[in-house]
Amino acid sequence: EPEVTQTPSHQVTQMGQEVILRCVPISNHLYFYWYRQILGQKVEFLVSFYNNEISEKSEIFDDQFSVERPDGSNFTLKIRSTKLEDSAMYFCASREIGVDYGYTFGSGTRLTVV
Amino acid sequence: KNEVEQSPQNLTAQEGEFITINCSYSVGISALHWLQQHPGGGIVSLFMLSSGKKKHGRLIATINIQEKHSSLHITASHPRDSAVYICAAGSPGNQFYFGTGTSLTVIP
Repeated sequence: EPEVTQTPSHQVTQMGQEVILRCVPISNHLYFYWYRQILGQKVEFLVSFYNNEISEKSEIFDDQFSVERPDGSNFTLKIRSTKLEDSAMYFCASREIGVDYGYTFGSGTRLTVV
Repeated sequence: KNEVEQSPQNLTAQEGEFITINCSYSVGISALHWLQQHPGGGIVSLFMLSSGKKKHGRLIATINIQEKHSSLHITASHPRDSAVYICAAGSPGNQFYFGTGTSLTVIP
């Protein structure tokens, strides 16, 4: 079964450093998403991406964050100048077009900012 | 403010019981998503529905758009169903609002 692949599975970074979280969506999917889940809290939407541009972003997704599709397969989330409160599990997801199609989630990247 | 409310927050059931998890939302949506999160953190999409009912194995999801309410039912529950079940409401391609999840434990 097709999978969404996220790398790395766990990243530890120093506060103030930049991190790039990587995702390889399912090849025929056209919508891509990033979500995060702070430990013990609910999943939060960060950004959706379609047709090589952001289609919607939440208030969390400020200038510290950016997304890119550098080639035909990868979808990246960059977090600049990381803060302690950025520590969370970050999930990538992708889906086909059509309201009845569910998402396929990656297994997540656990980001720990120290 | 909570755009999506789930109940109950925690649920313990005996193996074989019929389980219902409820979700109410206040936002205008075009679809509702039921997700399952395992103890290791991984998330699996169970259903995306915009009207009526969907069934997959022992899982059934229903939605009433007028009442802004959805339910997830599990028939003949099994210990492997133990997980956190999350409801998310929104529009595909745009923002989904997530509930806090229902933690289900099925006891053998």
